[in-house]
Amino acid sequence: GAVVSQHPSWVICKSGTSVKIECRSLDFQATTMFWYRQFPKQSLMLMATSNEGSKATYEQGVEKDKFLINHASLTLSTLTVTSAHPEDSSFYICSASKAGEGDTQYFGPGTRLTVL
Amino acid sequence: RKEVEQDPGPFNVPEGATVAFNCTYSNSASQSFFWYRQDCRKEPKLLMSVYSSGNEDGRFTAQLNRASQYISLLIRDSKLSDSATYLCAVKSGGGKLIFGQGTELSVKP
Repeated sequence: GAVVSQHPSWVICKSGTSVKIECRSLDFQATTMFWYRQFPKQSLMLMATSNEGSKATYEQGVEKDKFLINHASLTLSTLTVTSAHPEDSSFYICSASKAGEGDTQYFGPGTRLTVL
Repeated sequence: RKEVEQDPGPFNVPEGATVAFNCTYSNSASQSFFWYRQDCRKEPKLLMSVYSSGNEDGRFTAQLNRASQYISLLIRDSKLSDSATYLCAVKSGGGKLIFGQGTELSVKP
């Protein structure tokens, strides 16, 4: 199998605080991990692409200083939303791809962030 | 223009109906094409990859038309359990998946 987990599954925080979301590939090594954001009734929007040991590549319009991505190992990537504001409330989903399976992305269950 | 566009929803159909979704993409260099299913408040799950020759999986048929740059998904004999949002996705250079906005399907008894 190819299982990807995310933690936490949901989080509520106060405006101005930082929130860290973890994405783990449980039974495979992920050469690349992707972070998406989805607002209600909208599609998944790619935020950044992350390769182990290197800096993430952010999509246009995504602030890299606000959404910090760390991909320290082949099984773990983290997304930290710094100084969160209500407009950052969204569904954050990660995905991971295996070496040699270029086309397939395995999605985590998502993290629902609510900023009060 | 969005890179990937889908039919606006929602589609409300009775059980047993046949329903078709279309999706257009703007980047002619796109390499791979997919249909995903997303249930409410869940992650998307891969339904099918889409090949130039067309492919079928039970009640689901996917087709790709490179000349016109669109992909389609046909669901035959729809079931209540097919109710979900269907997202098309296109893979461009660099391995990035670009999703359409999704089409909501509601199958009624």
